[in-house]
Amino acid sequence: GAGVSQSPSNKVTEKGKDVELRCDPISGHTALYWYRQSLGQGLEFLIYFQGNSAPDKSGLPSDRFSAERTGGSVSTLTIQRTQQEDSAVYLCASSLGGLGTELFFGSGTQLSVL
Amino acid sequence: GQQLNQSPQSMFIQEGEDVSMNCTSSSIFNTWLWYKQEPGEGPVLLIALYKAGELTSNGRLTAQFGITRKDSFLNISASIPSDVGIYFCAGPPSSNYKLTFGKGTLLTVNP
Repeated sequence: GAGVSQSPSNKVTEKGKDVELRCDPISGHTALYWYRQSLGQGLEFLIYFQGNSAPDKSGLPSDRFSAERTGGSVSTLTIQRTQQEDSAVYLCASSLGGLGTELFFGSGTQLSVL
Repeated sequence: GQQLNQSPQSMFIQEGEDVSMNCTSSSIFNTWLWYKQEPGEGPVLLIALYKAGELTSNGRLTAQFGITRKDSFLNISASIPSDVGIYFCAGPPSSNYKLTFGKGTLLTVNP
């Protein structure tokens, strides 16, 4: 597609439920990132995928968070047993890969945990 | 972990004024990136800097990569209402692909 696509754009869920957030990167981009943005804060790195290499999961805040990338394209971020502190905007970005290359961001998923 | 200190946190200016914001890091960066985020959207890259001392312009925007490689600034000249948004500095620390972001500068422009 023309840009990074994320769905849903908004998700409201109840505490304790699982949620799945989807990211469709720009075609041909080998690198894919997930970031979390809390209100009034900068972007917090969560996870990074590069080609077929093992993902860098060092930013995931707890074992309730997981992500996968199928076929080197679409990625899904899953949050199990959601907590209120998980409420944030989850941003996906893709790039051609390599150090310092430009990240193109999607519009994000606004997650609200009640 | 790496930390980026971005200032000011917010600015309220009149249309036509010039704006300056800066970013400092606790470690050396090889690349400095400046992003703008508008409400409901993801950040969009404005300017990328790859070399210490580099001064780069993009229209009314000018950014510089500090000589020490630990700082950068962004200037916006003759601001207009559509400049409103949150401006983030970002960069990968040396030999690291993970972008670290500052906390952003919220810019409000009064017409």
